[in-house]
Formats: sequence, structure tokens, C-alpha cells
Amino acid sequence: EVQLVESGGGLVQPGGSLRLSCAASGFTFSSYSMNWVRQAPGKGLEWVSYISSSSSTIYYADSVKGRFTISRDNAKNSLYLQMNSLRDEDTAVYYCAREGFRDFDYWGQGTLVTVSS
Amino acid sequence: EIVLTQSPGTLSLSPGERATLSCRASQSVSSSYLAWYQQKPGQAPRLLIYGASSRATGIPDRFSGSGSGTDFTLTISRLEPEDFAVYYCQQYGSSPLMYTFGQGTKLEIK
Repeated sequence: EVQLVESGGGLVQPGGSLRLSCAASGFTFSSYSMNWVRQAPGKGLEWVSYISSSSSTIYYADSVKGRFTISRDNAKNSLYLQMNSLRDEDTAVYYCAREGFRDFDYWGQGTLVTVSS
Repeated sequence: EIVLTQSPGTLSLSPGERATLSCRASQSVSSSYLAWYQQKPGQAPRLLIYGASSRATGIPDRFSGSGSGTDFTLTISRLEPEDFAVYYCQQYGSSPLMYTFGQGTKLEIK
């Protein structure tokens, strides 16, 4: 069974940093591209970042470019999102999601990031 | 950047009825890269349809997707109580890679 479990969310002040993790199991992690998708409270879904299976290709949404860094450790079956210079508008539930056919076929349960002073 | 517009914003129907949800793109979208998701309160989204018309693993056949170009449709043939949720469409764009979602349609019990 495919499982994705996010962790690392919490309350952080504007301008602060946070590192999210996603532990993957139930599939060959190193064979799949992965993504982060977020959802602000009461709002819709927003794609954040993509990383290919070998980490050779990385993309970001314009809203986080230059502030967020996606990475992965295939030996540890883990995906990460380093978030710096956090803003109020980054407050959201952050989901890690496995890439299917240019869609997201499995999602974690999400971790809440709250940016507030 | 392609914008996806979903309609209606809210759809009120009764169990047993047929639901038709629309997703319109601001530019032509490859049918291969149009997906639909279901999200219930407090839960992660679940992939329903990929490639505009293919059901994801374990999705009941009352869910179907259709469309091409700029107009896509998700149809639920006979609504079950568990189908009342928010539905999102999503497309993939290249050069550079990016994914965009529609704003969602809330399907509520009438």
C-alpha cells in the first residue's frame, strides 16, 4: 500500500524558516517524481514544486521561487521542502504527492504550516 | 499560464441524481494531461480521473470524464451519499513545467 506521511509543520513567524519532510513507503520511491501541493485554509489547491526521480529536474511555482527548495533522499525514501523567508500567504496545509501521468496519483495527509506573528 | 475555470461553484443535488461538473481552460489543454480530484472535508484530495477520461484505480464506474481542447466534464451518473465533496480539475503545462488547478466545485446535498 502506497503511503506518504508528511511532518515538520507548525507555527513560524514571518521571515522564518521551516523544513517539511515526507516519508514514502509501499512503492519504489526512487522511480517516481514527486511534488508538493498546498492548500490555504478554506481555499483551493496550489502546486508548489516538482522534483524528478533522480533530482536532476526541479521546478517551482512563481509564488515560492527563490524562497523554497525541494530535495529528496532516495536512500531514505524521503522528500523534503525547505521553506525560507516565510510570508503570511504561505500559511497552508502542505501535501506531498506522487507524480502519476502528469497528475498526482497518491497524496499524503498533509501538514499544516502557519505563518503568524 | 493556462487558467482553469470550474462551474458551477456550488451544485445542489439529491442522492440518485446525475451530476455534471464543468472545467474550462483559457487555452487548449492536451487531453492526456487533464485530471479530476475529489476532496472531502479534512482529507487529502483523491485522484478520480486522469487523461481526461480514464478512471484511477478503485474509482467506481459511476464517475466518468470527457472533453477535449478547452472544455472538459466530470459526470457522476447516480449520486451516492459519499460523493458529496469538492471536485477540482487540474492540468499539466510544459515549458516550464507547471500544474494548475481549477478553483473547485462544491457538490452539496439538496
